[in-house]
Amino acid sequence: LAKTTQPISMDSYEGQEVNITCSHNNIATNDYITWYQQFPSQGPRFIIQGYKTKVTNEVASLFIPADRKSSTLSLPRVSLSDTAVYYCLVGDGGSARQLTFGSGTQLTVLP
Amino acid sequence: NAGVTQTPKFQVLKTGQSMTLQCAQDMNHEYMSWYRQDPGMGLRLIHYSVGAGITDQGEVPNGYNVSRSTTEDFPLRLLSAAPSQTSVYFCATTGSNTEAFFGQGTRLTVV
Repeated sequence: LAKTTQPISMDSYEGQEVNITCSHNNIATNDYITWYQQFPSQGPRFIIQGYKTKVTNEVASLFIPADRKSSTLSLPRVSLSDTAVYYCLVGDGGSARQLTFGSGTQLTVLP
Repeated sequence: NAGVTQTPKFQVLKTGQSMTLQCAQDMNHEYMSWYRQDPGMGLRLIHYSVGAGITDQGEVPNGYNVSRSTTEDFPLRLLSAAPSQTSVYFCATTGSNTEAFFGQGTRLTVV
């Protein structure tokens, strides 16, 4: 399984765009990149998944360079309610079955 | 539509006691799994099931048993609780193979 590396924590202010980068140097050809969000006392929640280039949904964007050794989760105009832990996962075929979580990035949005 | 329901939300056990953590889903998903999350860490897979009557071990299965008699239910049993099993336990289900849906968690303390 490809190991991922993320910053332990990040601070931002309301209304700003936040970019969280994840390194996955050993990503395999079949691996997809998936991001989950976890609020305190709740289970993780799926945010977005991608394989290459850019993926966008109503919540976030995911940027993946051509070499796929890193990825960046972009959250536009964050609010206080975006304060959470964000996990970057890399897995075979994008399967949501046997997920491997790292320690994640604690994002704190300040007023 | 409740999604994934875990009971109880909180539990305190004495060392050596046994208990069952309940997980029920109404999403008609075949795949279910149990994770534990220790403070400041990501989730680790305990056991999983690809369908009724089929279970398998994850990364940290020791001290836990599971069974899957129906599609809806996937209980996790602790036969003889130990302080090292103090953790937050999450049940998850996956249908489309891309997104996992997690319950709210059970916070277990073993004293």
